[in-house]
Amino acid sequence: AQSVTQLDSQVPVFEEAPVELRCNYSSSVSVYLFWYVQYPNQGLQLLLKYLSGSTLVKGINGFEAEFNKSQTSFHLRKPSVHISDTAEYFCAVRGSSNTGKLIFGQGTTLQVKP
Amino acid sequence: DSGVTQTPKHLITATGQRVTLRCSPRSGDLSVYWYQQSLDQGLQFLIQYYNGEERAKGNILERFSAQQFPDLHSELNLSSLELGDSALYFCASSVTSGTSTDTQYFGPGTRLTVL
Repeated sequence: AQSVTQLDSQVPVFEEAPVELRCNYSSSVSVYLFWYVQYPNQGLQLLLKYLSGSTLVKGINGFEAEFNKSQTSFHLRKPSVHISDTAEYFCAVRGSSNTGKLIFGQGTTLQVKP
Repeated sequence: DSGVTQTPKHLITATGQRVTLRCSPRSGDLSVYWYQQSLDQGLQFLIQYYNGEERAKGNILERFSAQQFPDLHSELNLSSLELGDSALYFCASSVTSGTSTDTQYFGPGTRLTVL
């Protein structure tokens, strides 16, 4: 079985500062990893995904994440945040079986302050 | 806009009632997934259909059922509703049944309030 732990429920940060949202996963099989963003009153939008290959993955809106197999982590980073990045961020894992079932973390609320 | 549509946007009903949530996947997508987002449980996978057949099941209550129709739209039926069923219900779709490159695209959700 897989599980995902997002280590911070809330991350406050000032505009133009860098940010890292932490995600650790647990799995006995190979996994695929995802970050989704949920803006207020909206659905989930895919930010980026790791399927294989390079461990540094670049996504939309200037976000990137690094897959670290030894530490079972997939932390999300952005070098300079904007007010518009205020949202809830979800890390998710999918096992390498032939279903698309996603297991989500509890979410991290990013609060960007002016 | 992800291309996944869900109706209705909001639903308010009473305990003991039955409701149906509807989802239309993106054009060309064969898989439909249902997720429940609540304050206490977070985002939980409920069920997946692929080309009309049930593919995977998660923590779906027996009072809940789903189906995918020949035109690939899906419905989630919730019966004998309880206060704890109040949540945001998301539908997602993807092209395949879950191969490595598959990506799920989420609809805007249906917010269910049980009074």
